[in-house]
Amino acid sequence: NAGVTQTPKFQVLKTGQSMTLQCAQDMNHNSMYWYRQDPGMGLRLIYYSASEGTTDKGEVPNGYNVSRLNKREFSLRLESAAPSQTSVYFCASSDLLMRGIYNEQFFGPGTRLTVL
Amino acid sequence: QKEVEQNSGPLSVPEGAIASLNCTYSDRGSQSFFWYRQYSGKSPELIMFIYSNGDKEDGRFTAQLNKASQYVSLLIRDSQPSDSATYLCAVKSGNQFYFGTGTSLTVIP
Repeated sequence: NAGVTQTPKFQVLKTGQSMTLQCAQDMNHNSMYWYRQDPGMGLRLIYYSASEGTTDKGEVPNGYNVSRLNKREFSLRLESAAPSQTSVYFCASSDLLMRGIYNEQFFGPGTRLTVL
Repeated sequence: QKEVEQNSGPLSVPEGAIASLNCTYSDRGSQSFFWYRQYSGKSPELIMFIYSNGDKEDGRFTAQLNKASQYVSLLIRDSQPSDSATYLCAVKSGNQFYFGTGTSLTVIP
């Protein structure tokens, strides 16, 4: 049981390049999330997928797109990277504990992205 | 904008003391409340999860929730140097989780 896995672990891009961050979970969770974490800013939600087939914008979606490929996989794409997207990106998954109450989020190990 | 506020610290306590971490949130409709611990360079890991008013204890950790005051706290008893980390408060509101910026805790041997 690997939990939440992310690839790659590290990436350096030049301004204008594109890339896709991959995330997969093996806990049969319905909901998946992409966050970015910057010093002094905490975790900020980029996009989330409440269930397979749905995606919604979070707090900071500009410059990103997502795809919920199936129940296990949720990818994040940067179409034209900018230095402001230098950050640590975390994928997470969670599920309903009971009506309206969500269980904990399980986080992947993160991707450290630098855009030059 | 739904906000989660924490004191950024740093908070320093001697080994064996009680560390008290506080968090306030703006959305009265929030339903689930979480405390995560994050070591430097690592991903967040869950410490406590609470959704009913009152106290919830798990080993050396106690989470306290007061929905009327929109306040969540975490007490760490008998603090250990291994507790030195950043503690993130998170609030579930609607379909989204909202995080505070975290409180840095240092436990001094």
